[in-house]
Amino acid sequence: GQSLEQPSEVTAVEGAIVQINCTYQTSGFYGLSWYQQHDGGAPTFLSYNALDGLEETGRFSSFLSRSDSYGYLLLQELQMKDSASYFCAVPSDDKIIFGKGTRLHILP
Amino acid sequence: DVKVTQSSRYLVKRTGEKVFLECVQDMDHENMFWYRQDPGLGLRLIYFSYDVKMKEKGDIPEGYSVSREKKERFSLILESASTNQTSMYLCASSPMLGTEKYTFGSGTRLTVV
Repeated sequence: GQSLEQPSEVTAVEGAIVQINCTYQTSGFYGLSWYQQHDGGAPTFLSYNALDGLEETGRFSSFLSRSDSYGYLLLQELQMKDSASYFCAVPSDDKIIFGKGTRLHILP
Repeated sequence: DVKVTQSSRYLVKRTGEKVFLECVQDMDHENMFWYRQDPGLGLRLIYFSYDVKMKEKGDIPEGYSVSREKKERFSLILESASTNQTSMYLCASSPMLGTEKYTFGSGTRLTVV
């Protein structure tokens, strides 16, 4: 079967850095995606790592280690608008499997 | 930008009613998906479709059916709504299978009473 594990909640302070981890067990791995969802909103695509290493997009970075079946999303210079749920996800041949999501709380 | 539009933001239905949730996308995407989202359970795939009139069961298809008569429209049908189908329903589309990027609609929050 396929499964993804990520923490249910993470709390950080405005202006700080936070890392959201994701471990996965899949048959046939292509890469790891991250989505953001604000309360009441649609999930939106953030990033995708097909290869090992760090991908940076502005304040957000995503990392993948295929040998460890592990990845993380790194958010820097946290802003209050980053308060949201973050989902890691793995695409398969015909669909995407999503983790259960990590709720990010940001304190002023 | 691709737009995925779900016809209703909020719906309240009675137990036993037949419920139709509609989803339309405007970028000629081949594939469309229906998920339900519940607290602590994440996004669970109900059904998906990779072509007109084609459908595939996802992880939790029981109690649901789907219809895709036109490429741009994918409907989720609750044949006889039950209270355990109270949930947020999210539609998504993608240009191809195996892609890492879906575009989601804003969701329909369905309450069955």
